[in-house]
Amino acid sequence: TQLLEQSPQFLSIQEGENLTVYCNSSSVFSSLQWYRQEPGEGPVLLVTVVTGGEVKKLKRLTFQFGDARKDSSLHITAAQPGDTGLYLCAGPTDSWGKLQFGAGTQVVVTP
Amino acid sequence: SAVISQKPSRDICQRGTSLTIQCQVDSQVTMMFWYRQQPGQSLTLIATANQGSEATYESGFVIDKFPISRPNLTFSTLTVSNMSPEDSSIYLCSVEPVSRDTYNEQFFGPGTRLTVL
Repeated sequence: TQLLEQSPQFLSIQEGENLTVYCNSSSVFSSLQWYRQEPGEGPVLLVTVVTGGEVKKLKRLTFQFGDARKDSSLHITAAQPGDTGLYLCAGPTDSWGKLQFGAGTQVVVTP
Repeated sequence: SAVISQKPSRDICQRGTSLTIQCQVDSQVTMMFWYRQQPGQSLTLIATANQGSEATYESGFVIDKFPISRPNLTFSTLTVSNMSPEDSSIYLCSVEPVSRDTYNEQFFGPGTRLTVL
């Protein structure tokens, strides 16, 4: 089983601060995805990283895929209250589309 | 992307009863998935539903407890049978659109929040 470990489990920061969420595995993934889930809603896909060493930016969010494709990170610059949510990383486990999800990181940004 | 709706959005049920959750997609999709999630926690896959074939269940989930239908490429239902308070959870459906590339990205419905008394 390919396990994805996320850290930290919980982050509480003030508006304007930076934060980083990590997603690590001992297995190689062909790609990794990041989702954000807000209360009462389903997870929403933020980005997919595919190439080892890849860096993708989505406004204030920066996503990196490790060179060995075993880990990924999400960095948020100058966090805002709208960034509050549960962040989940996920990777495909087989060719039939099944995803393995990390345990999630709850991020709370207070004004 | 795909737009997914779920019905009901929430329900409160008595133990021993059954609830059927509907998942409707605005476009044809190959793969549909059903997950369970405790608030603030990660997702646990219940089963994968392909059109025209029986659903494939994950370890710990059985068809008698969670029967699934997939009559066409845009619709699926999950039934939670003979409910107990331990079934209280959020149930989510997701899809992998036909037109997507091979990165197995999924799009989720808003979820059904179930409380069993």
